[in-house]
Amino acid sequence: LAKTTQPISMDSYEGQEVNITCSHNNIATNDYITWYQQFPSQGPRFIIQGYKTKVTNEVASLFIPADRKSSTLSLPRVSLSDTAVYYCLVALSGNTGKLIFGQGTTLQVKP
Amino acid sequence: DAGVIQSPRHEVTEMGQEVTLRCKPISGHDYLFWYRQTMMRGLELLIYFNNNVPIDDSGMPEDRFSAKMPNASFSTLKIQPSEPRDSAVYFCASKGAGNLLNTEAFFGQGTRLTVV
Repeated sequence: LAKTTQPISMDSYEGQEVNITCSHNNIATNDYITWYQQFPSQGPRFIIQGYKTKVTNEVASLFIPADRKSSTLSLPRVSLSDTAVYYCLVALSGNTGKLIFGQGTTLQVKP
Repeated sequence: DAGVIQSPRHEVTEMGQEVTLRCKPISGHDYLFWYRQTMMRGLELLIYFNNNVPIDDSGMPEDRFSAKMPNASFSTLKIQPSEPRDSAVYFCASKGAGNLLNTEAFFGQGTRLTVV
């Protein structure tokens, strides 16, 4: 599975847009990019998934450039409740089913 | 569906005792994962099953750990004998095969294990 690299931590303030970038230089043709969110004392929760260009849902947007060697999770107008760890995963869709989590990015949203 | 259900939520045991963690996946899901999370090592995949069959157990730390999935609605992770370094939060997750785009797994609330 492709190795991912993302910042260990980030700080932001309420109401700001937060962008977390993940690099995955060795991504393979069939790999999909997935982001999870984990709040303290809870299991991770799926946020968004994409293959290329841009994907948007009610929680976040995911931007993937043409070379797919990186991706950016964008959280619009964060609130204190968005304080969590965010994980970027690169997974071969459906085939092996294996999901490997990296170290994640701890986002701290301040008032 | 109530989601992935794990039991117990908390477990405190003495070193050398056997510990059994339980998981009920979401009905209809084909994949089941066991993860362990610690501050030092993060979220580690221990083993995962597809259609009740273990596919990859390369993450199981040692022979003291074993996992079973006797049917589609139940799985156990057993540690025997337990050691203090096994203290961690253990998560179970399940995922439907669905279409080939599916990378969405659903996690339980976890079992916090403390071995003293």
